[in-house]
Amino acid sequence: EVQLVQSGAEVKKPGESLKISCQASGYTFSKYWIAWVRQMPGKGLEWMGIIYPGDLDTKYSPSLQGQVTISADRSISTVYLQWNSLKASDTAMYYCARRRPDSNWFDPWGQGTLVTVSS
Amino acid sequence: QSVLTQPPSVSGAPGQRVTISCTGSSSNIGAGSDIHWYQHLPGTAPKLLIYGNRNRPSGVPDRFSGSKSGTSVSLAISGLQAEDEAEYYCQSYDISLSAWVFGGGTKLTVL
Repeated sequence: EVQLVQSGAEVKKPGESLKISCQASGYTFSKYWIAWVRQMPGKGLEWMGIIYPGDLDTKYSPSLQGQVTISADRSISTVYLQWNSLKASDTAMYYCARRRPDSNWFDPWGQGTLVTVSS
Repeated sequence: QSVLTQPPSVSGAPGQRVTISCTGSSSNIGAGSDIHWYQHLPGTAPKLLIYGNRNRPSGVPDRFSGSKSGTSVSLAISGLQAEDEAEYYCQSYDISLSAWVFGGGTKLTVL
């Protein structure tokens, strides 16, 4: 069974750094893209970026470029989303989701990681 | 403001049929990009409902159907059930933005 399991909820202060994870299982990790999707409180889904673990090719949403870093560790089939300096506006639920190279849809999705940034 | 536009809400009684529209532009739907639909229940992971405009993944009931005609796309849900109450999102790829884009979501209420 293909599964994406995300790390647990985080509570951080503005200015702190954070790295959340998404561990894949049940398929060849290097052959599928993994995307990060954000849902801010009361808002809809927003694509943030995507990485291909096979060659670490990474693309970011133009609106989020430079604000986050997406990386992958093939040895443990895990993709990361990282912030160097969190802001209150980063408070959101974050989902990872898999994408086949020949498709433009996402399936399956991780269970989500709630990030709360508050002083 | 989302790149893809959906109605904020729709509602229907059990057993009825509802449709949810998704409007894009010449850089996504109009450019030939396929539309995909997701069902999102509170506290759960979004679930792929329809891919490639009209295809259902294994396990999705045939009560759910997708259609695309020109730049008009929609999701239809027939035989409404209480368990269908959820947020529904359309999604595509925008060639001008070089980005995957979502609609703002439509809240389905089963009366």
